[in-house]
Amino acid sequence: SQKIEQNSEALNIQEGKTATLTCNYTNYSPAYLQWYRQDPGRGPVFLLLIRENEKEKRKERLKVTFDTTLKQSLFHITASQPADSATYLCALDIRDQTGANNLFFGTGTRLTVIP
Amino acid sequence: DTEVTQTPKHLVMGMTNKKSLKCEQHMGHRAMYWYKQKAKKPPELMFVYSYEKLSINESVPSRFSPECPNSSLLNLHLHALQPEDSALYLCASSQWTSVTNYGYTFGSGTRLTVV
Repeated sequence: SQKIEQNSEALNIQEGKTATLTCNYTNYSPAYLQWYRQDPGRGPVFLLLIRENEKEKRKERLKVTFDTTLKQSLFHITASQPADSATYLCALDIRDQTGANNLFFGTGTRLTVIP
Repeated sequence: DTEVTQTPKHLVMGMTNKKSLKCEQHMGHRAMYWYKQKAKKPPELMFVYSYEKLSINESVPSRFSPECPNSSLLNLHLHALQPEDSALYLCASSQWTSVTNYGYTFGSGTRLTVV
């Protein structure tokens, strides 16, 4: 069966430290891997996208790595702030038999940054 | 306009009612999606429309009926729902192109309660 797992359901980290979240998947061959932030009662908000032929992507304090051999992505938030507290979701963008892209989410990690 | 707008934001319905959820985007995206999200769980893909045609139906019960009247609108018709269908229903859209760097855009969702 196909699975997308994020290794921690919850992660607490001290303000200023780097938060590292892990996403592992099985039995998928994604065209893209994406990371989203979701606040309670809101829809997910897109953060970063990385393609299967890319190793690393950066955006401000965010960094994503993608290892298609290990079937793993790491998501880093440097100099974390209390405002970074949210649930972070990795998602695989899979092209189906009709050619349409479909987004499947991982289990999510609830990050709390402690002042 | 860079938003996906969902209405209503909250809906309470009885098990014998018929209601509809609406979703609208004006970003020119050609793929639109319905997701269901239960508390403390990731969003689950329900339906995918690409170029206004239903591309995928992830084994969703027939009491949920999607409709895509045009490229900007997406409806989800609800009939004879069960209490376990209570959830946050999210609509999303994407450019559906291999050169995108913008991920998927999600609405804020409709919080549905079935009584």
